[in-house]
Amino acid sequence: EVQLVESGGDLVQPGRSLRLSCAASGFNIDDYAMHWVRQAPGKGLEWVSGISWDSDSIAYAASVKGRFTISRDNAKNSLYLQMNSLRPEDTALYYCIKDLVVNNWGNDAFHVWGQGTMVTVSS
Amino acid sequence: FTLTQPHSLSESPGKTVIISCTGSGGNIASNYVHWYQRRPGSAPSTVIYDNNLRPSGVPDRFSGSVDSSSNSASLTISGLKTEDEADYYCQSYDGSEHWVFGGGTKLTVL
Repeated sequence: EVQLVESGGDLVQPGRSLRLSCAASGFNIDDYAMHWVRQAPGKGLEWVSGISWDSDSIAYAASVKGRFTISRDNAKNSLYLQMNSLRPEDTALYYCIKDLVVNNWGNDAFHVWGQGTMVTVSS
Repeated sequence: FTLTQPHSLSESPGKTVIISCTGSGGNIASNYVHWYQRRPGSAPSTVIYDNNLRPSGVPDRFSGSVDSSSNSASLTISGLKTEDEADYYCQSYDGSEHWVFGGGTKLTVL
């Protein structure tokens, strides 16, 4: 069974850092582009960052560019999101996502979603 | 490139509802449109991908389409059931390494 399990969410103060992890099972993440999407309380879905299957392409939403870093460890079949200089507006449920098509970057569906991990930024 | 959805819709069981998703700042037909369902307490799941394809397990009451003339996409749910009550999001790729969601539509079935 294809599964994604996020971890690392926590309550942190503004300006601090946090690292989210996503453990994949049932497939090899090095065959697929992977993404992080978040949902703030009472708000809609927002794409945060994506990384291609070969890590050659990485993209960020303007709201997090320069503060967040996406990475992957294919040997551990895991995806990560390093979040620095956190702001209250980063408070959200963060989802790890696997693309639909093998070796594709861009025009593709968000096929499998994890259950999410909650990040709360507050003093 | 942005996608705009109605904030909320309400319809009775057994009826048909159409959720629109209007693109601006680009041609919506240039890339696939996908639709996700998010029930309270659950992660989003795909109900339509690549404009009009249904993942296995999604009933054929769900269908999708794209209309270039109006620069919009639509999710149609026929024979509404109370279990269809959820938030629905359209999503697409803007062609420049950014992925875009619509604001979401809260569907109430009563």
